[in-house]
Amino acid sequence: KQEVTQIPAALSVPEGENLVLNCSFTDSAIYNLQWFRQDPGKGLTSLLLIQSSQREQTSGRLNASLDKSSGRSTLYIAASQPGDSATYLCAVKAGANNLFFGTGTRLTVIP
Amino acid sequence: NADVMQNPRHLVRRRGQEARLRCSPMKGHSHVYWYRQLPEEGLKFMVYLQKENIIDESGMPKERFSAEFPKEGPSILRIQQVVRGDSAAYFCASSPLGSGANTGELFFGEGSRLTVL
Repeated sequence: KQEVTQIPAALSVPEGENLVLNCSFTDSAIYNLQWFRQDPGKGLTSLLLIQSSQREQTSGRLNASLDKSSGRSTLYIAASQPGDSATYLCAVKAGANNLFFGTGTRLTVIP
Repeated sequence: NADVMQNPRHLVRRRGQEARLRCSPMKGHSHVYWYRQLPEEGLKFMVYLQKENIIDESGMPKERFSAEFPKEGPSILRIQQVVRGDSAAYFCASSPLGSGANTGELFFGEGSRLTVL
């Protein structure tokens, strides 16, 4: 069964720092991997989607990489801002009808 | 994603009552997924529906829970005789592609937060 792990569970950084969030999954037979952002009491906002044939995706200050063979993905956030404070969720699509989610990394960017 | 509309956003029920959660997918999307997020846990898949069909309900409890997506109107997740353990955030997602395509991106609503007293 697919298991998705995100480390660290929580992270605090000063504004302006670059940071990396980690996601690992146990079964490399995935179709894609998606990074989401979740603000307290809110829904999920899709940040980046990486298909299994891709190595990375970029959107603004965000860059996500995928190493399917090792079961790892990273989300790199450049020049962090207080507005980046949220929980970041990683999800892998490992079956036709299912996304497997990690429990997230709670990021706090300190002004 | 505000275009996936869920209501109510917050719902309070007493044990034994029924809860009905509604989801209208994004315009042009005909595939709906329901997920549950328990406190301090990740989102867990419950059910996948297309119009008038349940495609996969492997994540849904066998009793008290049911889901539908009629030809007209929103998808509804129904929980009968709620218990305290049903307290959670219930998220709906929609996709323009059949999940048989595997690569489709899911767009989520803002969730319905159920509290059972």
